[in-house]
Amino acid sequence: QVQLQESGPGLVKPSETLSLTCTVSGDSITDYYWSWIRQPPGKGLEWIGYIHYSGSHYSGSTNYNPSLKSRVTISVDTSKNQFSLEVRSVTAADAAVYYCARGSDIPRLAPVLDYWGQGTLVTVSS
Amino acid sequence: DIQLTQSPSFLSASVGDRVTITCRASQGISTSLAWFQQKPGKAPKLLIYAASTLQSGVPSRFSGSGSGTEFTLTISSLQPEDFATYYCQQLNSYPLTFGGGTKVEIK
Repeated sequence: QVQLQESGPGLVKPSETLSLTCTVSGDSITDYYWSWIRQPPGKGLEWIGYIHYSGSHYSGSTNYNPSLKSRVTISVDTSKNQFSLEVRSVTAADAAVYYCARGSDIPRLAPVLDYWGQGTLVTVSS
Repeated sequence: DIQLTQSPSFLSASVGDRVTITCRASQGISTSLAWFQQKPGKAPKLLIYAASTLQSGVPSRFSGSGSGTEFTLTISSLQPEDFATYYCQQLNSYPLTFGGGTKVEIK
């Protein structure tokens, strides 16, 4: 059974960098589209981006939401079966529950988010 | 970006009711749509993808239909565990976007 677990600081200061890690168990980090999604308290879902790691891509190929692209990096650590999210220069607008998820490759569709972590709340405050 | 508009935003229904939720896309997306269920404090759960394909393990009382710009999620007989918020997501083009959600509450 595939399981994903987010980890990282629950409190980040304004202008600093938010860093989260997702540990994947029950599946290899190779293949699939390892994704991040966020949800501000009481609001809807926002897709942040994904990384797709295969044997032919040493560091993985990424795809980011243009609204965040200049501040976001998603990376993968195959030795630990983990992938990570960095959001730089955070503001109060970045406060949210952050979810990691697995995206599966379905023909003619963007990756389908079929397994999710439980989510981790990140607060932005000095 | 493709905008998804869900209606209604909120609905009140009873156990056993047939419930239909609509998701309208700002431009045609063929059948590139997924539906998720989210309960309070939990992660979203995939119900349907490709507009009408039921994810493994999801009860058959859930069904999806539509193509182009209009889609529906139907629950044929609402069960107590179905009270939740439902989101659609388009899988046609980047950035991937979600609808605003429909909260289904007990009447």
